[in-house]
Amino acid sequence: DTAVSQTPKYLVTQMGNDKSIKCEQNLGHDTMYWYKQDSKKFLKIMFSYNNKELIINETVPNRFSPKSPDKAHLNLHINSLELGDSAVYFCASSRLQGQPMNTEAFFGQGTRLTVV
Amino acid sequence: AQKITQTQPGMFVQEKEAVTLDCTYDTSDPSYGLFWYKQPSSGEMIFLIYQGSYDQQNATEGRYSLNFQKARKSANLVISASQLGDSAMYFCAMREGVDSSYKLIFGSGTRLLVRP
Repeated sequence: DTAVSQTPKYLVTQMGNDKSIKCEQNLGHDTMYWYKQDSKKFLKIMFSYNNKELIINETVPNRFSPKSPDKAHLNLHINSLELGDSAVYFCASSRLQGQPMNTEAFFGQGTRLTVV
Repeated sequence: AQKITQTQPGMFVQEKEAVTLDCTYDTSDPSYGLFWYKQPSSGEMIFLIYQGSYDQQNATEGRYSLNFQKARKSANLVISASQLGDSAMYFCAMREGVDSSYKLIFGSGTRLLVRP
């Protein structure tokens, strides 16, 4: 069973479209994240949710809206896609509540978004 | 200022030799955790090893060890007996704070190529 799964793995779409990326974790974790990896491989956090509550929103444009229907799911919806949104988007999860600092984040396979 | 600095964009190592990947960090928090992740060409993020700021000994996991020098704020990854499958991007990351630090901050990564 895949621990953190995201769909789709590849997404090619035109500028101006709206698209969603879904993420599910079956690890029982309380915290989920979205990271963006740009063309230079730099990984930057976008959002962090703890128990369905938004904790971190790292100066991401309003066109990006995360939604967490429950603790096991964190979806990313992107409106009015732009060329600069092309990147690999990673979903991740970890168990933080009451845990020591060594709790690593488990990552999904990534979604390669290409905006044309 | 950069929180995590990886100064080696690319490294070569001969198969079966050891290699050190550098990572320095910047934090004023006395409690923090340092992580290393591997990203092979297939794109997934694989957790390798963890070092806590209060850990007395350097972390080791199989062929991976962490050369932790707290006063110098460095946490270099040492891979012993390199294998061809070790060719990948390697990321150093940090989590700060004691209570529910909700993000990992990543360095820019080092691309390692193992030569046969």
